[in-house]
Amino acid sequence: DAKTTQPPSMDCAEGRAANLPCNHSTISGNEYVYWYRQIHSQGPQYIIHGLKNNETNEMASLIITEDRKSSTLILPHATLRDTAVYYCIVASNFGNEKLTFGTGTRLTIIP
Amino acid sequence: GAVVSQHPSWVICKSGTSVKIECRSLDFQATTMFWYRQFPKQSLMLMATSNEGSKATYEQGVEKDKFLINHASLTLSTLTVTSAHPEDSSFYICSARPFTDTQYFGPGTRLTVL
Repeated sequence: DAKTTQPPSMDCAEGRAANLPCNHSTISGNEYVYWYRQIHSQGPQYIIHGLKNNETNEMASLIITEDRKSSTLILPHATLRDTAVYYCIVASNFGNEKLTFGTGTRLTIIP
Repeated sequence: GAVVSQHPSWVICKSGTSVKIECRSLDFQATTMFWYRQFPKQSLMLMATSNEGSKATYEQGVEKDKFLINHASLTLSTLTVTSAHPEDSSFYICSARPFTDTQYFGPGTRLTVL
C-alpha cells in the first residue's frame, strides 16, 4: 500500500467547512483514496472514496488533485459530532485488499 | 452503507481463559473479513485476513495459534483469543467487504484480561 501523510491535528469552528489534507505522492494507478473516521471507542466509519474524479456524498466532498498525489476531504458544515480521528488511506479496490491505517488527523470542532 | 455487527461489545475475562468474538455482516455476504487490533491512543493494526472456506492469512508478528480465526460462512467470522493474558487487552475491530466494494467496520469489542 502507498503511504499517506496527514497533519496530526486540526481545529475547526462549528458551522465552518473543515478541510483535511492528505498527501499520497506514491499512489499507483489502480489505487483509490479512501477516507474513514473514528469517533472515540467506536469502529471506523466509511466517509467517501475516489479514484481520480472529485466525489461528493451526503457526508463530505473529496477533492483529488490532477496528478493524484494529494487530496482534501471537505466537511461542508462541521458540527460537534464531527470531532474524530480522520484517516486517509490508499488501496486498490480488489476484494481481499487490506487497508493500512496511519496515524490520521485528530479533528476537533470548537463550539 | 452495509452493516457489520460484533458481539460482544465488551468482555472481561480472567487470565488464561479463552474469549470468542463474533463478526457478522448483516445485509450482505462477505467472502473476505479483516480483524484489527487497536491499543489506547494508537492506530488500527491489521491482525489477519479471513477468507470464507479457507485458512486465515496472518500479518507478521501475529501468533496464529493464539488468535484463532474461523470464517465459517459468508456472513460470520469469529476470532478466538486463546489463553488470554493482560497484554491481550485491547480493542478488537472487524471489517467486512462486499465484493468490489469498500470495507465496512464493526463497532468493536473491548477485551479486558484481568
